[in-house]
This record gives sequence, C-alpha cells and structure tokens, in this order.
Amino acid sequence: KAGVTQTPRYLIKTRGQQVTLSCSPISGHRSVSWYQQTPGQGLQFLFEYFSETQRNKGNFPGRFSGRQFSNSRSEMNVSTLELGDSALYLCASRPTETNTGELFFGEGSRLTVL
Amino acid sequence: AQSVAQPEDQVNVAEGNPLTVKCTYSVSGNPYLFWYVQYPNRGLQFLLKYITGDNLVKGSYGFEAEFNKSQTSFHLKKPSALVSDSALYFCAVRDINNYGQNFVFGPGTRLSVLP
Repeated sequence: KAGVTQTPRYLIKTRGQQVTLSCSPISGHRSVSWYQQTPGQGLQFLFEYFSETQRNKGNFPGRFSGRQFSNSRSEMNVSTLELGDSALYLCASRPTETNTGELFFGEGSRLTVL
Repeated sequence: AQSVAQPEDQVNVAEGNPLTVKCTYSVSGNPYLFWYVQYPNRGLQFLLKYITGDNLVKGSYGFEAEFNKSQTSFHLKKPSALVSDSALYFCAVRDINNYGQNFVFGPGTRLSVLP
C-alpha cells in the first residue's frame, strides 16, 4: 500500500507570493492533518480534515488555509508569504477521525521563503 | 489542555550501550501515547504506541517504552544502541476521551549514538 505522498518536496518562493501544497493520504484513510515544523517552534498543528470538513484548527493566522477533496486528497495554501513561513510542512493521515491509531506521515514539503 | 515535555534536547550514548529518551505528558483524561523518529529531511516514522494494557510496549527496530501513570511518563528505551539510531525523536499524546483533539507533540530529543 502506498504511503502518504506530498508534493512538491522542495520549493522556493519570495515574500508576498502564495503557495499551494498537496497531500495524498494512504488509500482508505479519510483524515488528513497538516503540521508545520521549524527548528525554533518544533511541530505545530495547522489543521485536520475529515470528509472534506475541517475538524480542528491550530493557532495560525488566516493566511494559512486548507481543503480536502472527495477522494480525501488535501491541499494547504499559504498566502502573502513571510520569511517566517519557511518550514517543513508535514501531512499525516489516519483511517478516521476517531481512530485510536497512529498518524502516518509523508516526507514533507520544504518551503523556503526569500 | 494536553502537553508533552521532553526534558533533554540532546542525548549522547555510546554504541552498544542502553539508551533512554525521556517523555512526560499532561492530559485531562486517559492518554494515548506515541513515539516517532525523524531522520534528516524526512517525515516522521512511527515507532510504537500505548493505548491500554501492558505498561511495557515493544515497537520497531528494537525500541520499547514504559508507560508510568503515576509519574505521567512514557520513556523510550533500547537495550543496545546502534549508530543508525541517531535521529530526532518525538513523543506525542492524544486524549482518549476527546476524539476531537489533535495529537500534541513534544519538542523533540536529538539522539546521537557515538561509535
């Protein structure tokens, strides 16, 4: 079974631009979560989607948004990029939102903002 | 609110020696506890979890962890460390009684196994 796939793996943007990151969960998984990882702040929860609905949201500004499609694939968007948005963005999936199991992570999308 | 503490930023151990990476947690209810490992420029890989039952949990690559409810701890252990175990380790917690809660991760502990 294929794992969680994130694209692109690496990207460079400049301040003020916007970026869209994509995540394809493990087949059959309906819950997708997004995390931001930086050396200073560690792993911070962005949001979780289940059945195309946002279930949880972390403490990030409105420039960070996401969505989930009917096939469970998810995208997150960051508008008006700032230098501090440079980070590794991780997507994780699990079968359902109430599942007691672990999160399965993708390899991440490393965003550099210049 | 849930929280996870990993009191050591860095742990150094010689190859062949036992290793321990510490984790303490705080949840309002009963916890689900997890350990993940991250290698450079990679995502997080699941090592093991505690849901219920035996306090000693065995996981991947020879790792194990001991759940201690009274001390609210979930320390990761391995009897004999390998150089290839050098990586960043994260402890995570989720509240059993609150399905709506997301996973909360600790700040991570960098493990260096010296040859």
